[in-house]
Parts: sequence; C-alpha cells; structure tokens
Amino acid sequence: QQQVKQSPQSLIVQKGGISIINCAYENTAFDYFPWYQQFPGKGPALLIAIRPDVSEKKEGRFTISFNKSAKQFSLHIMDSQPGDSATYFCAAQAGTASKLTFGTGTRLQVTL
Amino acid sequence: EAGVTQFPSHSVIEKGQTVTLRCDPISGHDNLYWYRRVMGKEIKFLLHFVKESKQDESGMPNNRFLAERTGGTYSTLKVQPAELEDSGVYFCASSQDRVQQFFGPGTRLTVL
Repeated sequence: QQQVKQSPQSLIVQKGGISIINCAYENTAFDYFPWYQQFPGKGPALLIAIRPDVSEKKEGRFTISFNKSAKQFSLHIMDSQPGDSATYFCAAQAGTASKLTFGTGTRLQVTL
Repeated sequence: EAGVTQFPSHSVIEKGQTVTLRCDPISGHDNLYWYRRVMGKEIKFLLHFVKESKQDESGMPNNRFLAERTGGTYSTLKVQPAELEDSGVYFCASSQDRVQQFFGPGTRLTVL
C-alpha cells in the first residue's frame, strides 16, 4: 500500500510556464513534507519542505501549497527553466529523524 | 564539506552471487539511512542506523540483506544470495540535525 501518492508521472512544460506536481497522503502522523529534486546520476537533494502548521511556503520560484484537511500538498515551479528538468519526489516523515516515505516521482521536462 | 559517498556506482552480478555496497556518510552525522528504488517505483526505506545501532530495520525485505555500520562511521549493505528482484538503485542518506537527510549518488545494482 502506497502511503504517498504522487502525480503526474511525467510532465512537459514550456520555458516560462508553471509546473505543478501533486501529492496526497493517508497517514495523519506525518508532520514534515519535503520535496526532493534529482538529476540523472545524482542522488535526491532537498529542494523545499513544509510542516503542516502553515499552508504555503515559498523559496524563490518554488512554492509548496499544503492542505491539511484534504491531506494533499503540491509543488509549484514558477517561470520553469530548462535547468529545472529533473525528477521530483514528494516525501513525508512522521517524527524527527524517522524514515522518509516517498512518492513515485515525477519526471519534469522543460522545453525551450 | 564532502557529501555522502557510495561505492561502487554500478554493480552487475549474477543471480546467486553476493554483493556488498558501501556508504560513507557526511562526517559527524550520527543518522544513516538506506533506501532502494526499483525502476519506476517509489524510493523505499530499508533501514536506519543511529551511530552503530539499528534504530529501524522495518524496511529490510528479507534475511538475504545484512546491514552493518562499523564504529558508527561507514556502513555496508550485503545482499547474499542476490535475486533478480534485488535490482535497483540503492541510496544511502545521512543526517545530523535529525530532519534534513543528505543523499548519496546511489549504487545501481543489476542482477542477471
């Protein structure tokens, strides 16, 4: 049973457009929701993260929107650039230092 | 500061053989995690060390997998004997502040 569901599986966006990736979870014990970015041949790297006491967090062109009642969160990439082309994973964690539970990943391609 | 390193980067073995993967965490990081991604699926947790002790090994698939962490420094993950379904990318991650996990580049294991 997949605890964190991620969509879409792949996404093609034109340069300058908005990329949106969605995740949903079931476990209400989750209290930390990071997004990881992975380039080919590299490991996942933390991009941005949010805790459920806020509904939105913005860092540069990247924004997480969080809906606690719906148990959903999403990543918005504004003004998408070709350099943003990568695989994005949402994740969730229940308790400090515990394991991360990942979504299946979204392969983003930003075209010129 | 050096990141998390993993060795080897690729390993191709035949079914029934033994393979040992190594992870060197960021210096000073007490928490060390192993994850695995089977092609197209989510990154799945295998186990978590705190220093040399196994904190959580709930994700280990079966007793063919053996993880050790010598003196609380580097860790090894041995698969013996390897099966076809063990193929995937094995990631190691470490953390100091008990929240952000830093991932290594992964070891791609192919079992033929």
